[in-house]
Amino acid sequence: EAQVTQNPRYLITVTGKKLTVTCSQNMNHEYMSWYRQDPGLGLRQIYYSMNVEATDKGDVPEGYKVSRKEKRNFPLILESPSPNQTSLYFCASSFGGAIINEQFFGPGTRLTVL
Amino acid sequence: DQQVKQNSPSLSVQEGRISILNCDYTNSMFDYFLWYKKYPAEGPTFLISISSIKDKNEDGRFTVFLNKSAKHLSLHIVPSQPGDSAVYFCAAKGGNYQLIWGAGTKLIIKP
Repeated sequence: EAQVTQNPRYLITVTGKKLTVTCSQNMNHEYMSWYRQDPGLGLRQIYYSMNVEATDKGDVPEGYKVSRKEKRNFPLILESPSPNQTSLYFCASSFGGAIINEQFFGPGTRLTVL
Repeated sequence: DQQVKQNSPSLSVQEGRISILNCDYTNSMFDYFLWYKKYPAEGPTFLISISSIKDKNEDGRFTVFLNKSAKHLSLHIVPSQPGDSAVYFCAAKGGNYQLIWGAGTKLIIKP
């Protein structure tokens, strides 16, 4: 089944404790992206990747890191999480490099930073 | 400053009637628009899109209308069904590799 998977689905952590949210897709998509969703703000892009070893900042990259060593995986790293990073996070992927191509989203990771 | 606005946080519609979800944008350079639908505990899924060279695009029960002069687009769902109850996001192509998203409208279809 074609899908985007994220782990963990739920995470409660404390300020400053490094964490990684994994994202994997099995559709051989070139483009992958991370978003955060906050009430009243819709989805805001954190980072995106056009292909392996090609990443770039989105609208809200501060406090986050990503890597794209393999085509299928695009982990999101929070080196020192803070309470303002409490949010719902989505990973997405799409075929080719055109942003207008349909994006396939993972189920989301709800992160709480205390 | 939000460039894509969905001013109605929620909308309630009777089953079988038309649902109209609205979206306004401020940047006249946006040239492509998309609607995504989101159920609870799931990621958004693509619904329908429209290029700025068109004013209408139809796919089954779903039609998107674009009014460039008013910087306004709308999604029409006819007839509305219970399975249409979800949050609907409008998004605009804000650059080569980015989408600018609205805050979403929660659609509730009443039986």
